[in-house]
Amino acid sequence: GIQVEQSPPDLILQEGANSTLRCNFSDSVNNLQWFHQNPWGQLINLFYIPSGTKQNGRLSATTVATERYSLLYISSSQTTDSGVYFCAVEDSGGGADGLTFGKGTHLIIQP
Amino acid sequence: GAGVSQSPSNKVTEKGKDVELRCDPISGHTALYWYRQSLGQGLEFLIYFQGNSAPDKSGLPSDRFSAERTGGSVSTLTIQRTQQEDSAVYLCASSSSGSWNSQYFGPGTRLTVL
Repeated sequence: GIQVEQSPPDLILQEGANSTLRCNFSDSVNNLQWFHQNPWGQLINLFYIPSGTKQNGRLSATTVATERYSLLYISSSQTTDSGVYFCAVEDSGGGADGLTFGKGTHLIIQP
Repeated sequence: GAGVSQSPSNKVTEKGKDVELRCDPISGHTALYWYRQSLGQGLEFLIYFQGNSAPDKSGLPSDRFSAERTGGSVSTLTIQRTQQEDSAVYLCASSSSGSWNSQYFGPGTRLTVL
């Protein structure tokens, strides 16, 4: 099945810093989503981005499907950005087989 | 509008008992997914419904697991003869029509098997 690798696994930053999270995937996809899992375990949708670039406030994401990677940018980090960020993909092999998740990037924003 | 809801939020059971977990998808969403999240295995996909049918059940961990969906809406995930390794958070998601659409997740059911 499709492989998803996220880097870095852990990231500690000071409030106000910028960060870039990376997601590499091993095959073509028809769905790529970024999620933020908050301390209560809720998976919050950030972006649906199988290709192209999107921005939402301080967050933006870019997926280069031909090179099989996606980047999530967080600017001017706030302590509320802390948590685990997951990249998840669905391969384009036919049917809806569910999302394959990476292991996540654990982000800690210190005041 | 209302998001995906799941019940119960927490379930503690004894080894060998059966449990039933419920998912209410977003109204109008035809696709429904079950996942589980555990420390050792991360987030893993279990099963997908389009309408009431599940075309592929191979993601279910064992034959003790079953799922159904009726009326194209509510789904239940049943685990028979629970084992300690079944302890995990079980997450449900829905999307408007399967592939090429965002999946939206519920808050999960935390299952603890003693």
